[in-house]
Amino acid sequence: DTGVSQNPRHKITKRGQNVTFRCDPISEHNRLYWYRQTLGQGPEFLTYFQNEAQLEKSRLLSDRFSAERPKGSFSTLEIQRTEQGDSAMYLCASSPLPTGPYGYTFGSGTRLTVV
Amino acid sequence: AQKITQTQPGMFVQEKEAVTLDCTYDTSDQSYGLFWYKQPSSGKMIFLIYQGSYDEQNATEGRYSLNFQKARKSANLVISASQLGDSAMYFCAMREGVLWNNDMRFGAGTRLTVKP
Repeated sequence: DTGVSQNPRHKITKRGQNVTFRCDPISEHNRLYWYRQTLGQGPEFLTYFQNEAQLEKSRLLSDRFSAERPKGSFSTLEIQRTEQGDSAMYLCASSPLPTGPYGYTFGSGTRLTVV
Repeated sequence: AQKITQTQPGMFVQEKEAVTLDCTYDTSDQSYGLFWYKQPSSGKMIFLIYQGSYDEQNATEGRYSLNFQKARKSANLVISASQLGDSAMYFCAMREGVLWNNDMRFGAGTRLTVKP
């Protein structure tokens, strides 16, 4: 297991197009998180899954955003009708249960640029 | 309301010296966890150290230590004997609630530059 894997690393898209990112967490981790990070800021929480159940969604996650984790393994984050304000780094992280004192293990992120 | 505050956008330190990165937090929960992450230019967040709200001793991990002052709600990161590879963004984060099952919230970060 090489940690949390995110694909693609970079994505450039035209405004109005749909994009999908994939995250493969550490296999034994039950929890999977999505964060968004804009330049010069800390990561902002978007949503998280416990196994295949999506347990919490931030108000940042507008109806153009959808996330899935169909079999409790990998997850996808889709953004429909992208806007320039969606340009950011999208980070995925995973953690075991019980979460307790464990830090999250992050992937390298997907950098989205909307032109 | 901002839960995590990092007041130092940038810090400089001479190689081999110690540096303290400040973090204050806001919570009404009795049970919470505090974390520090490092984000080098590659972008990958690296977990450094954590402190539980009930821990009486300050956490240490190698050259990293966490100066936890519960009454002041501060959780400063101390890096001893700085190395050039320590140059990165550093984020303080907190999880609240029983077993810290809530999602983690991050501060805005501090950019540390280690000078040779």
